[in-house]
Amino acid sequence: GIQVEQSPPDLILQEGANSTLRCNFSDSVNNLQWFHQNPWGQLINLFYIPSGTKQNGRLSATTVATERYSLLYISSSQTTDSGVYFCAVFTGTASKLTFGTGTRLQVTL
Amino acid sequence: EPEVTQTPSHQVTQMGQEVILRCVPISNHLYFYWYRQILGQKVEFLVSFYNNEISEKSEIFDDQFSVERPDGSNFTLKIRSTKLEDSAMYFCARDSGGKQETQYFGPGTRLLVL
Repeated sequence: GIQVEQSPPDLILQEGANSTLRCNFSDSVNNLQWFHQNPWGQLINLFYIPSGTKQNGRLSATTVATERYSLLYISSSQTTDSGVYFCAVFTGTASKLTFGTGTRLQVTL
Repeated sequence: EPEVTQTPSHQVTQMGQEVILRCVPISNHLYFYWYRQILGQKVEFLVSFYNNEISEKSEIFDDQFSVERPDGSNFTLKIRSTKLEDSAMYFCARDSGGKQETQYFGPGTRLLVL
């Protein structure tokens, strides 16, 4: 099956800093989603981005499908951005999302 | 788009007991899914459900697990005889407008097996 790897596994930032999270996948995909898992464990949808670039406030995402990677940008980070960020891909050959390994982000004051 | 609700939010059970986790979609959808996340690990697919039948299941989804939609609304995951390793967060998800490639997740049920 498809492999989805995320980097870095852990990231510590000071409030106000910018960061880039990466998601690599091993095969072509029909869709890619970015999630933020908050401290209560809930998975919050951030982006649906099979290709191209999208922005939502301080967050933006870019997927380069031909090169099989996606990037999530967080600008002017806040403590509320802390948590685990997952990317998940849908290949179309199966009905499931395959999740990446996650990036654990901690934003400090 | 509205997502799904799940009940209970937390459940503690003794090893060997049966548990039923419930998922209530806000509106009618075609595809439903269960995923689980063991503490500190990534989210794993368990099973997908379409038109009142299992359409796909993972190797994790063994004979101890079953799913059904008994009243055409609630979507349930049953674990017949829980094991310690079943302790995890269980997420229900639904499709977006009949399209599987975009899935919306419920808030999860945190299951602890003692």
